[in-house]
Amino acid sequence: DVVMTQSPLSLPVTLGQPASISCRSSQSLVSGDGNTYLNWFHQRPGQSPRRLIYKVSNRDSGVPDRFSGSGSGTDFTLKITRVEAEDVGLYYCMQGTHWPRTFGQGTKVEIK
Amino acid sequence: EVQLVESGGGLVQSGGSLRLSCSASGFAFSNYWMNWVRQAPGKGLEWVAHIKLDGNDKNYVDSVKGRFTISRDDAKNSLFLQMNSLRPEDTAVYYCARDGDGELDYWGQGTLIIVSS
Repeated sequence: DVVMTQSPLSLPVTLGQPASISCRSSQSLVSGDGNTYLNWFHQRPGQSPRRLIYKVSNRDSGVPDRFSGSGSGTDFTLKITRVEAEDVGLYYCMQGTHWPRTFGQGTKVEIK
Repeated sequence: EVQLVESGGGLVQSGGSLRLSCSASGFAFSNYWMNWVRQAPGKGLEWVAHIKLDGNDKNYVDSVKGRFTISRDDAKNSLFLQMNSLRPEDTAVYYCARDGDGELDYWGQGTLIIVSS
């Protein structure tokens, strides 16, 4: 199975400051069709996860443009340009290129 | 508006069975691949099962193969997860999620399964 490794696992941030989460995969996530199926999700306490980013860098509808995804191959990053209070919670990367689909361990973002 | 509503959760003894349902609305259900994803209490997300169109192609995480069966009824806009031989480690919130523009674009609110030993 493809192992997804996130870092850091805990990220205290100051409101208005940037934040960055890394996600590394144990195998390349480039699919045979040329796409890279790497997603980012956000889960607030007590809520269902919400997808933020798909195929590395595509923002879902309604996702603020302070969120961006980048990367290629096995190395990916989620960046928040200016953290807002509503951004707290857990962030997960997930690969959909290989079966079974696998998630990272999650990164907890909290306000300092 | 896309809506996914899970039901069927509850308390079951180890070795027992349960069938989860997910009712879909707000989109053409028959045109989308669907999934079950679970989250044990205080733990991260784990993808469980996936079904393509017409139910002809299915995938499972190894830990549930041979015990869980994913199915769909396109006429009723419904997704199911038949869970047999349940174990305490299957205790989790189970989410139904759609594949759109890639994977898992919409999620339900989840249903809690507790397997007692």
